[in-house]
Amino acid sequence: NAGVTQTPKFQVLKTGQSMTLQCAQDMNHEYMSWYRQDPGMGLRLIHYSVGAGITDQGEVPNGYNVSRSTTEDFPLRLLSAAPSQTSVYFCASSYGGGVAEKLFFGSGTQLSVL
Amino acid sequence: GENVEQHPSTLSVQEGDSAVIKCTYSDSASNYFPWYKQELGKGPQLIIDIRSNVGEKKDQRIAVTLNKTAKHFSLHITETQPEDSAVYFCAAHHKLSFGAGTTVTVRA
Repeated sequence: NAGVTQTPKFQVLKTGQSMTLQCAQDMNHEYMSWYRQDPGMGLRLIHYSVGAGITDQGEVPNGYNVSRSTTEDFPLRLLSAAPSQTSVYFCASSYGGGVAEKLFFGSGTQLSVL
Repeated sequence: GENVEQHPSTLSVQEGDSAVIKCTYSDSASNYFPWYKQELGKGPQLIIDIRSNVGEKKDQRIAVTLNKTAKHFSLHITETQPEDSAVYFCAAHHKLSFGAGTTVTVRA
């Protein structure tokens, strides 16, 4: 099993550029979510989805969009990158207990915005 | 929102000794408390979790204790080994919030 797959692993953007971080899971999990990890701040929830066609905002949603057209995929879009979005991004999936329980994380995307 | 504080931020222990990480939370409605281990270059991995109706849970060398009255919970690692070296995150869920992490180094 591949689990949760994130691409790319590294990305450098210029301010104002747009891009999509990809996330796919092959475990048929209902719930998927995106987190950002900044030094000294733990993980913060950006957006989440409780099923195909359903998304909602987390703690830090500004500057990011998501969609969930299939159970497997949950891409994160940066419409106009800003230096404040420099971070490590993790996608996670979960089942059963809800969007916050027993998370399976991908290996992360390290994003730098210049 | 929920505020989770985690201490210490770094912890160095001799192989074979115990390690303890403590977290406090603010939201009395929190009912689920997971711990994640993150190795260098990887995503966090769930190692143990506990619900608010349980005071203690153990899985081999790892245990978690919860004090709802005081709103704090702790991770205990016994007989530490070099492979326990990692960053550990606690979290509290009513609306899931993570602590800032503890970097654990096990000295051989």
